[in-house]
Amino acid sequence: QVQLVESGGGVVQPGGSLRLSCAASGFTFSSYGMHWVRQAPGKGLEWVAFIRYDGSNKYYADSVKGRFTISRDNSKNTLYLQMNSLRAEDTAVYYCAKDRDPYGSGAGYWGQGTLVTVSS
Amino acid sequence: QSALTQPASVSGSPGQSITISCTGTSSDVGGYNYVSWYQQHPGKAPKLMIYDVSNRPSGVSNRFSGSKSGNTASLTISGLQAEDEADYYCSSYTSSSWVFGGGTKLTVL
Repeated sequence: QVQLVESGGGVVQPGGSLRLSCAASGFTFSSYGMHWVRQAPGKGLEWVAFIRYDGSNKYYADSVKGRFTISRDNSKNTLYLQMNSLRAEDTAVYYCAKDRDPYGSGAGYWGQGTLVTVSS
Repeated sequence: QSALTQPASVSGSPGQSITISCTGTSSDVGGYNYVSWYQQHPGKAPKLMIYDVSNRPSGVSNRFSGSKSGNTASLTISGLQAEDEADYYCSSYTSSSWVFGGGTKLTVL
């Protein structure tokens, strides 16, 4: 069965960096696009970034453009999110999600999330 | 990338039907058939309930249905059950990005 396990969350100071990972199993990782979606405490979902199945195209929300970088290693079945210049408003649970196709149609299966707290 | 508009809350009694609306623009909901609906119970990850406006993933009850008219998508839940009480989010593709609605809290009375 599909499994997505996020890791790398924690407490970081404003202006700091963090790299999240998402280990995928149970499906052919290299055949699907992947998303990062976040949810601030008590708030709704916010789409963060998407990467195509082969890493050829990457898209970002305006709120993270220039600060966050999505990447993938298909040989390791792992998705990444490099987060730089972190702000208090980046505090959230970060979910990775498998798209339903290689090029992007929408998030399908979601992981359980990892909490990122930006605080001094 | 403005959020889609959903009602903050809806409620219904067991056995009844409810509909949650999701209003966007011609650049998102109205322009693409990539509208999805997600169910989220407290402390849990979202679960896909409807994709591509009206399609149900395998394993999702046929009590859940989706539709779209113009710039507004809708999720209908028939035969409400206690386990349907959750937050529901719509999402749409929009020109190399995705946007979510603000979420709707469904209360089963």
